Amino acid sequence: TQLLEQSPQFLSIQEGENLTVYCNSSSVFSSLQWYRQEPGEGPVLLVTVVTGGEVKKLKRLTFQFGDARKDSSLHITAAQPGDTGLYLCAGFGNDYKLSFGAGTTVTVRA
Amino acid sequence: GAVVSQHPSRVICKSGTSVKIECRSLDFQATTMFWYRQFPKKSLMLMATSNEGSKATYEQGVEKDKFLINHASLTLSTLTVTSAHPEDSSFYICSARLAGPGSTDTQYFGPGTRLTVL
Repeated sequence: TQLLEQSPQFLSIQEGENLTVYCNSSSVFSSLQWYRQEPGEGPVLLVTVVTGGEVKKLKRLTFQFGDARKDSSLHITAAQPGDTGLYLCAGFGNDYKLSFGAGTTVTVRA
Repeated sequence: GAVVSQHPSRVICKSGTSVKIECRSLDFQATTMFWYRQFPKKSLMLMATSNEGSKATYEQGVEKDKFLINHASLTLSTLTVTSAHPEDSSFYICSARLAGPGSTDTQYFGPGTRLTVL
């Protein structure tokens, strides 16, 4: 199993501030996915990045895949309370299984 | 995105009984489905890979006789927790893989099943 290190583990910010979550590995991933999960629910897919250096934007969320396809970041601009949740990065490795990071719990205070 | 359903969403059972959880891909066919377990405030832990028409493959440390998996069709996988004990209480989540071109496979997750064993 290829390991994904996600940081920070917890993030608490004020509404309107920006935040970045990082996902790093020593392994190469064919693709990487970001999910958001709310308590008592399953993870919801936000984005899939495939190409090294790729940048994808989803409204106030910007996702980047590293050139070497070993790392990724999620940046949220002007965070809102509705962005609160557990953010998970996950990557398909050469074993064809999805490996998850430990998750980042984001709390946006009104 | 694709939709995966799970049933039931919550179940409470007595110790020693068996519980079956269903996972369905509603708008696509999935030759491969996955079962995860999640502890409070933790990430997802893969339990097993469910393959349509063949035996499931279990992760190390997961008892195959306790967690029975059946992938009877391209849209349905079931997880049966046999002889449940309180330590089996957890949040169980399934996912289905949607194959895409090149390296664009995507996994979609069900809403999860909260199992409480008394």
